[in-house]
Amino acid sequence: EAGVVQSPRYKIIEKKQPVAFWCNPISGHNTLYWYLQNLGQGPELLIRYENEEAVDDSQLPKDRFSAERLKGVDSTLKIQPAELGDSAVYLCASSSRPGGKLFFGSGTQLSVL
Amino acid sequence: DQQVKQNSPSLSVQEGRISILNCDYTNSMFDYFLWYKKYPAEGPTFLISISSIKDKNEDGRFTVFLNKSAKHLSLHIVPSQPGDSAVYFCAAAGNYGGSQGNLIFGKGTKLSVKP
Repeated sequence: EAGVVQSPRYKIIEKKQPVAFWCNPISGHNTLYWYLQNLGQGPELLIRYENEEAVDDSQLPKDRFSAERLKGVDSTLKIQPAELGDSAVYLCASSSRPGGKLFFGSGTQLSVL
Repeated sequence: DQQVKQNSPSLSVQEGRISILNCDYTNSMFDYFLWYKKYPAEGPTFLISISSIKDKNEDGRFTVFLNKSAKHLSLHIVPSQPGDSAVYFCAAAGNYGGSQGNLIFGKGTKLSVKP
């Protein structure tokens, strides 16, 4: 069974540029999460989807961050414009049910110069 | 305000000995707890979990203990192996308000197992 797939693995951009991350969850997993992990910290939730509905986006900085999961499968997280403080690892995870065991992708390491 | 706390940033243990990683939580509504393991440049991987109706769960060399009155859980690894060297995250979830279904993570403890 394929795991959670994320791309790209690494991204280097200049500040004020846009950037997008893509995630393909485990087949059949209706719950999808985007987490942010800063160096030396644990993952912090950005947004949670149940199918195509964003059921918790309270921690998503909506002035520059956006996300979508149009068909309830793949998801895209976008930052526009990127700031220096956005440099971090962006993790996607999926679960067969809310609050259940999460399966994480390898993450996207973003560096904003 | 951290709801899940791992107060030891690092732990060093000799191969073959026991590793004990600790985690404290503040929210009494948490009812499901998990431990994740993370190697560099990889995403966290699930290790073991425990429901609040239990006080112990065992899986091979890994055992998680839950003390609800103290709001404390611990992960025991016996015997420790060099391949166990990684960052371990404690996470909690609960059925409360709008955060139902969200896992809250601690900051992690970096375990080093020396040969």
